[in-house]
Amino acid sequence: GAVVSQHPSRVICKSGTSVKIECRSLDFQATTMFWYRQFPKQSLMLMATSNEGSKATYEQGVEKDKFLINHASLTLSTLTVTSAHPEDSSFYICSARDLAGTGTHEQYFGPGTRLTVT
Amino acid sequence: RKEVEQDPGPFNVPEGATVAFNCTYSNSASQSFFWYRQDCRKEPKLLMSVYSSGNEDGRFTAQLNRASQYISLLIRDSKLSDSATYLCSFASGGSYIPTFGRGTSLIVHP
Repeated sequence: GAVVSQHPSRVICKSGTSVKIECRSLDFQATTMFWYRQFPKQSLMLMATSNEGSKATYEQGVEKDKFLINHASLTLSTLTVTSAHPEDSSFYICSARDLAGTGTHEQYFGPGTRLTVT
Repeated sequence: RKEVEQDPGPFNVPEGATVAFNCTYSNSASQSFFWYRQDCRKEPKLLMSVYSSGNEDGRFTAQLNRASQYISLLIRDSKLSDSATYLCSFASGGSYIPTFGRGTSLIVHP
């Protein structure tokens, strides 16, 4: 149980284009999903918290107009990187909390999306 | 003081060794604690939650010291396959927003 999928796993795009990343909880419902970015040898950086049916909460320094998050259902959240630039190249990882979980607030991570902007 | 601090390592140990990592946190209101394992270029995977009374899962033991605000992970009888980066995480606040350490690298050699 507690499987989270992420698509695509890898994407290469040209500077100025937009890229959409999907995060799905496959066997559980998630009211809350998190989006992270991780640069090589760096820690996970929380970008935003995505709540089903409401606007995402962005961390300080993360541009909400550049990183569009939509959480339209209890099993799907999307992150769209708009007008991507080479400095946006990174490993983007989503995670989800099981709504019916043990109450310990464990997160389950998707396999990540490696974005390269050329 | 940083929200969470971990020694990045690497900890280089021989197979069979016992190794321990600590992770200190600054938010005394933190309520949930976890250890994750992350392999190179992969997503983190939950290793274990950390309970107030301490908990054990096979060769892995996790402990919480609220007074000193740190959690620890002890790995006994290290295997080559234990080589990875170990991330600590804690959650606090009404929404339990998670915070991660930058990870401790473990290398187990033959």
